[in-house]
Amino acid sequence: GAVVSQHPSWVICKSGTSVKIECRSLDFQATTMFWYRQFPKQSLMLMATSNEGSKATYEQGVEKDKFLINHASLTLSTLTVTSAHPEDSSFYICSARWAGGNQPQHFGDGTRLSIL
Amino acid sequence: KNEVEQSPQNLTAQEGEFITINCSYSVGISALHWLQQHPGGGIVSLFMLSSGKKKHGRLIATINIQEKHSSLHITASHPRDSAVYICAVSSYNTDKLIFGTGTRLQVFP
Repeated sequence: GAVVSQHPSWVICKSGTSVKIECRSLDFQATTMFWYRQFPKQSLMLMATSNEGSKATYEQGVEKDKFLINHASLTLSTLTVTSAHPEDSSFYICSARWAGGNQPQHFGDGTRLSIL
Repeated sequence: KNEVEQSPQNLTAQEGEFITINCSYSVGISALHWLQQHPGGGIVSLFMLSSGKKKHGRLIATINIQEKHSSLHITASHPRDSAVYICAVSSYNTDKLIFGTGTRLQVFP
């Protein structure tokens, strides 16, 4: 149980393109989803926390207009990297958690984004 | 100093060896998590624990709340165990996970 599907797994696109990444909880309702960024050989860096039906909470230094997060349903959150540039190239990974006490986060397989 | 420290950073082992990865933390926590990140990047949650010991197959996780220390043990290691193992803690006053820097494990046949 507790499967999180992330799509696409790999994207290459030109500078200036906007890229949307989807994160779906397949067999549970995710009241909270988290978006992380990871540079090679580094730890996960939290970008934002999104709760279903409300605006995402962004971490300090993360541009909310650059990284648009939507959590419109209990099973889907999306991260849109707007007008992507080469410095946005990274590994993006989401996790999802359901409500109620101290619950574990369940992670997607990540999206490797390369901006040319 | 990081709030979550892991050791060692890198670990190589021969197939069949017993492996221990350590995690120390300096904040109050509601739970500690052990995660496994595969070479492709996907992350699997191995354990979430707040006291004592948990076992799943060849994996064992222990935590000592008083000493703020946890260990992940792998018995009879196998090349498929090769991955990055990440310790993370949930602090009392936030939803967020605080991550260690990970331990890169390679098990050779």
